[in-house]
Amino acid sequence: TQLLEQSPQFLSIQEGENLTVYCNSSSVFSSLQWYRQEPGEGPVLLVTVVTGGEVKKLKRLTFQFGDARKDSSLHITAAQPGDTGLYLCAGEPDNYGQNFVFGPGTRLSVLP
Amino acid sequence: GAVVSQHPSRVICKSGTSVKIECRSLDFQATTMFWYRQFPKQSLMLMATSNEGSKATYEQGVEKDKFLINHASLTLSTLTVTSAHPEDSSFYICSARSLSGRGLAKNIQYFGAGTRLSVL
Repeated sequence: TQLLEQSPQFLSIQEGENLTVYCNSSSVFSSLQWYRQEPGEGPVLLVTVVTGGEVKKLKRLTFQFGDARKDSSLHITAAQPGDTGLYLCAGEPDNYGQNFVFGPGTRLSVLP
Repeated sequence: GAVVSQHPSRVICKSGTSVKIECRSLDFQATTMFWYRQFPKQSLMLMATSNEGSKATYEQGVEKDKFLINHASLTLSTLTVTSAHPEDSSFYICSARSLSGRGLAKNIQYFGAGTRLSVL
């Protein structure tokens, strides 16, 4: 079973639409990271959230960390074709030693 | 700019040969580096944790004699795929955990650009 679940796994939308991707766990995380990966490239760090309830904005992207530090969401406003990619959440659970875990990813396709 | 350099980006080799992939942290020291494998349209699968100055820790099901890891310095880890076979063809990605460094978030994994291995 996955320590981190992501939903939806696949998402195809038209340019200009809004979307939200969810990252959920039954475990508490000291921090969560969101990465975006494009085909043939390594994941690129978008943001780190560390405080329960924290909200961070990165241009059209809004990231939120749940109050209990067990879940996170990524909201994209007015999606553009350049947002296409695999979005991964990741982090270190409080009770998992030093191991870093990844969610299965959400594959986003934004059509022009 | 990139904070982790991975080389080569692509390699094509014959079955039975060995392939070495390098992962370097730029501008920061990384006592811990990680090696992942990624199959098409899937997430990252952790293969092993590379610890500077000590043996790597391999995940269950990963053959340590097949995937040799060396972490001889605080900025370099290498993965050698020994006697490669077509089933080893995949996208291999390394990452380095930042403990300190200019402008970098601490205790975060930064990734290399990946290596596409094709074994004929």
